[in-house]
Amino acid sequence: KAGVTQTPRYLIKTRGQQVTLSCSPISGHRSVSWYQQTPGQGLQFLFEYFSETQRNKGNFPGRFSGRQFSNSRSEMNVSTLELGDSALYLCASSLALIAGHEQYFGPGTRLTVT
Amino acid sequence: GENVEQHPSTLSVQEGDSAVIKCTYSDSASNYFPWYKQELGKRPQLIIDIRSNVGEKKDQRIAVTLNKTAKHFSLHITETQPEDSAVYFCAASTGGSNYKLTFGKGTLLTVNP
Repeated sequence: KAGVTQTPRYLIKTRGQQVTLSCSPISGHRSVSWYQQTPGQGLQFLFEYFSETQRNKGNFPGRFSGRQFSNSRSEMNVSTLELGDSALYLCASSLALIAGHEQYFGPGTRLTVT
Repeated sequence: GENVEQHPSTLSVQEGDSAVIKCTYSDSASNYFPWYKQELGKRPQLIIDIRSNVGEKKDQRIAVTLNKTAKHFSLHITETQPEDSAVYFCAASTGGSNYKLTFGKGTLLTVNP
């Protein structure tokens, strides 16, 4: 079974631009979560989608948004990029409807904002 | 919301020694506690998890203990090997439809041969 995939793997953007990251979950998984990983803050939860609905959202500004498609693939968008948005963005997929089941992580997208 | 504190931030041990990483959580409704291992340049991978109805769980050299009263849980690695060197993250979730994992800031474990 193929694992979670993320595209692109690396991205360099300029302040003020916007970016869209993509995540394809494991086949059959309907839950996709997004995390921001930085050296100082660790893994911070952005949002989680299940069956095209956002079920939970972390403490990030409205510049961070996401969506999920009917095939469970998910995208996240960051508008008006800031230097502090430079990070590794990880998505994770899970089979379960409720929490308490293993999340499988993708390889991440390394975003650098200059 | 949930807050997870993890200690220590770095841990260095000799090969064959034991390593212990501790986490505390703030939300008494949390009932699922996974541990992830992230090797340099790789994705986090689940190594063990425990639910609130269990006090201890073991898997070969790895064990996790949970104290619900004190709201803390710990990861124990025995007979450490160089390949155990990685960043370890604890996390907590309240379960149900509130599908949100709150992670600790991680522990960099170095096992010296």
